[in-house]
Amino acid sequence: EVQLVESGGGLAQPGGSLRLSCVVSGFTFRSYAMCWVRQAPGKGLEWVSGISGSGSGTNYADSVKGRFTISRDSFKNTLSLQMNSLRAEDTAVYYCAKSTAFTVMTTFDYWGQGTLVTVSS
Amino acid sequence: QSALTQPPSASGSPGQSVTISCTGTSSDVGGYNYVSWYQHHPGKAPKLMIYEVTKRPSGVPDRFSGSKSGNTASLTVSGLQAEDEADYYCSSYAGSNVVFGGGTKLTVL
Repeated sequence: EVQLVESGGGLAQPGGSLRLSCVVSGFTFRSYAMCWVRQAPGKGLEWVSGISGSGSGTNYADSVKGRFTISRDSFKNTLSLQMNSLRAEDTAVYYCAKSTAFTVMTTFDYWGQGTLVTVSS
Repeated sequence: QSALTQPPSASGSPGQSVTISCTGTSSDVGGYNYVSWYQHHPGKAPKLMIYEVTKRPSGVPDRFSGSKSGNTASLTVSGLQAEDEADYYCSSYAGSNVVFGGGTKLTVL
């Protein structure tokens, strides 16, 4: 059974940092691209960042470029998102999702339940 | 990276059909056959319902179907059932990233 379990969310101050993790099981982690998608309160889904199966290719939404860093550890079956210089508008539930392909991110067939990030003073 | 345009709400009675549209541009929906649809019940993980415009993952009822014409994709739910009530999001590959729609809340009357 495929499982994706996010953690690391919580309350952060504007300008602060948080590190999200997503531990996966049930599939060969290194064979698939992964991504982070967020949902702000009352808003729709927003793609945040993606990483290829090898970890060599990464992409970011303009809204987080230069502030967030995506990475993966195939030994620990873990996807991470380092979030720096946090802003109030980063407040959202963050989901990790599995792509159906090794490099391109066109379709996400499994998702976690999400972890809530709140940025507030 | 503008969001795709979806109607905020849609509704239908049990047994009826409803279609949700998703409008983008030639840089996303119109440029690639990589439109997906996700069903999202609040507090749960989103679920893939349609991928590559028309394909259904294993386990998704054939009441769900997808199509595309130009820059607009559509999701049709036939034979509406109470459990279909949820938020539905479209997404499209856009070259080096993915763009989502704003979501449509489907209500089964």
